[in-house]
Amino acid sequence: EVQLVESGGGLVQPGRSLRLSCAASGFTFHGYAMHWVRQTPGKGLEWVSSINWNNGNIDYADSVKGRFTISRDDAKNSLYLQMDSLRPEDTALYYCAKDIGGIATVGNYFDYWGQGTLVTVSS
Amino acid sequence: DIQMTQSPSSLSASVGDRVTITCRASQSITSFLNWYQQKPGKAPILLIYAASNLQSGVPSRFSGRGSGTDFTLTISSLQPEDFATYYCQQSYSSPLYTFGQGTKLEIK
Repeated sequence: EVQLVESGGGLVQPGRSLRLSCAASGFTFHGYAMHWVRQTPGKGLEWVSSINWNNGNIDYADSVKGRFTISRDDAKNSLYLQMDSLRPEDTALYYCAKDIGGIATVGNYFDYWGQGTLVTVSS
Repeated sequence: DIQMTQSPSSLSASVGDRVTITCRASQSITSFLNWYQQKPGKAPILLIYAASNLQSGVPSRFSGRGSGTDFTLTISSLQPEDFATYYCQQSYSSPLYTFGQGTKLEIK
């Protein structure tokens, strides 16, 4: 059974940093691209970042580019999101999601999602 | 960026009803359109991929159609467990994915 379990969320002040983790199990982690998607009541679902199976391709939404860093440790079956210079508008529930393929390419989609970890940016 | 617009934003229906939700893209996305279901407090679940392909394990009362800019998700006979929020997602401009704003399906 595929499982994705996010952790690391919490309350943080604007300008500070937070690192999210996603522990994967039930599939061959190193063979798949992975994504972070966030959800807010106001803006709905927003794709944040993607990383391909071999770390060869990494992409970010414009809203987080230069502040967030996605990475993966295939030996630990884990995905990470380092979030720096956090802003109140980064407040959201952050999901990790599995791609159907090794590369986040045209036509692909997310076949499994975790339950999410809540990030609140507030003073 | 490709914008995705769903209609209606909310919908009230009864068990047994046939329901259709529409998703429109701001430009042609060919058939690269996916549908997800989300229940309160739960993660989204993939229902339909590539406009009309049913994900494994999803009941056959769900179906998807469309191409280009206009797409629909139809539930042929609503069941109690189908009351949820539904999102469309385009993967034409992968990895710059965008989602619709969601359609909340409520019990009448």
